[in-house]
Amino acid sequence: EADIYQTPRYLVIGTGKKITLECSQTMGHDKMYWYQQDPGMELHLIHYSYGVNSTEKGDLSSESTVSRIRTEHFPLTLESARPSHTSQYLCASRSSSSGDRVADTQYFGPGTRLTVL
Amino acid sequence: SQQGEEDPQALSIQEGENATMNCSYKTSINNLQWYRQNSGRGLVHLILIRSNEREKHSGRLRVTLDTSKKSSSLLITASRAADTASYFCATLRTGVTGGGNKLTFGTGTQLKVEL
Repeated sequence: EADIYQTPRYLVIGTGKKITLECSQTMGHDKMYWYQQDPGMELHLIHYSYGVNSTEKGDLSSESTVSRIRTEHFPLTLESARPSHTSQYLCASRSSSSGDRVADTQYFGPGTRLTVL
Repeated sequence: SQQGEEDPQALSIQEGENATMNCSYKTSINNLQWYRQNSGRGLVHLILIRSNEREKHSGRLRVTLDTSKKSSSLLITASRAADTASYFCATLRTGVTGGGNKLTFGTGTQLKVEL
C-alpha cells in the first residue's frame, strides 16, 4: 500500500468557488505530480514538482495552480471552479531517478473526483 | 502526441482465458512499466522491465519488450473477474535527467473479465 493520500475523495461544488485538493506523501519522495483524468480515458499531466519550491506546468494546460512548500505536501488550487473542471484528479510521487528499478516506480493516491455544478 | 498507444482500447474475455495488451511508444527508453487502475481509483504499479531486458514474469503477469519495434505486451494468464480494470503502460525516457524525466503514460486498455 502506497503512503500517498488525497483529500477529499469526492467533492461537489458550485461554480465560482475556490477549492484546494490536498495531496501528501510520507515516503520522502522528491518528485510529485498531478494528473487529470476523465472516466475511462488517458492521464494528462497538469503539474509537477521535483523538489521544494519548484513547480512546473505539465503537458496539458490547466487553470489550476500548485505549490510545494514542504517535501511531503503538494496541494492543487482552483481559484474559481467551473463545470469544465469536472474530472478526476490524481496525485503521484516518485523518488529521484537514478535508473534504479525501485526509484523509477511511481506511486499514486486514490484520486479526488471533482464535480462542479 | 508523446504518449504511447495501447491496443486494444477495450477487451472482454471469459474467466480463465488469457488477456494480452499491447503498448507502442515513440522514444528511446530507460524502462517501461505497466500499471493497473480499478474504476475510480489511483494507479498501482504492476511490473517494470528495463530496456536491456526482453521478458519479465511476476505471478500471472508476463511482460515482453521489443526495443527495435518500440513495443511491449502484457499477458495476464488464467484471468479472474478481479483482474477487471484498466491497464496502462508508461515509459521513462533515456537522456533526460532531473525533473524533466517524467513517466509518459499510454492511452490504456480497459479489460473486463466475465464469469
